[in-house]
Amino acid sequence: QKEVEQNSGPLSVPEGAIASLNCTYSDRGSQSFFWYRQYSGKSPELIMSIYSNGDKEDGRFTAQLNKASQYVSLLIRDSQPSDSATYLCAVNIHHKIIFGKGTRLHILP
Amino acid sequence: DTAVSQTPKYLVTQMGNDKSIKCEQNLGHDTMYWYKQDSKKFLKIMFSYNNKELIINETVPNRFSPKSPDKAHLNLHINSLELGDSAVYFCASSQNSGTGGGEQFFGPGTRLTVL
Repeated sequence: QKEVEQNSGPLSVPEGAIASLNCTYSDRGSQSFFWYRQYSGKSPELIMSIYSNGDKEDGRFTAQLNKASQYVSLLIRDSQPSDSATYLCAVNIHHKIIFGKGTRLHILP
Repeated sequence: DTAVSQTPKYLVTQMGNDKSIKCEQNLGHDTMYWYKQDSKKFLKIMFSYNNKELIINETVPNRFSPKSPDKAHLNLHINSLELGDSAVYFCASSQNSGTGGGEQFFGPGTRLTVL
């Protein structure tokens, strides 16, 4: 099993809808989890970090963590065309940050 | 003010040459990283330094040598460049290297093309 897995997409979501991005990880002992956004030709930018089970909200973004299922997700409410980007899930595994391959999100105007 | 800067932004060179990429951060962070992002956009860590000490050294060829003269700078020197080295190289920094080490700030990247 790969360490951090994401569906590569593209995930197409109508403007104004909720975009749901998912990530699974292999190390049950992982304690910290991160979502980055990367626009084409740009560098990754941190959106959210989450360390405890449950939901963490920041504006239109909600990160959800379920350590028992080894699953972390990112919800984007009221999706905007400017949200179109690749979203990278990152997990601290044995003190190294391991990135997933990213999910391409396309918001349809 | 730029938080994490890299030079050069683009680097085009011939196989067999030696080149360096420089990185500087003005965030006061203790930990710096080098990542390689290949053509499939997979972002893979290469090295990490904490207060000038190497703490992560992934399986990369010996041709790649990082150097950290102080905690604000982390440079990457590459000897005998090969076609497969073509990629975008990102420098990043974080406040610490522990549990919160994933809260990283990335530089703009250096696109290396080896001909």
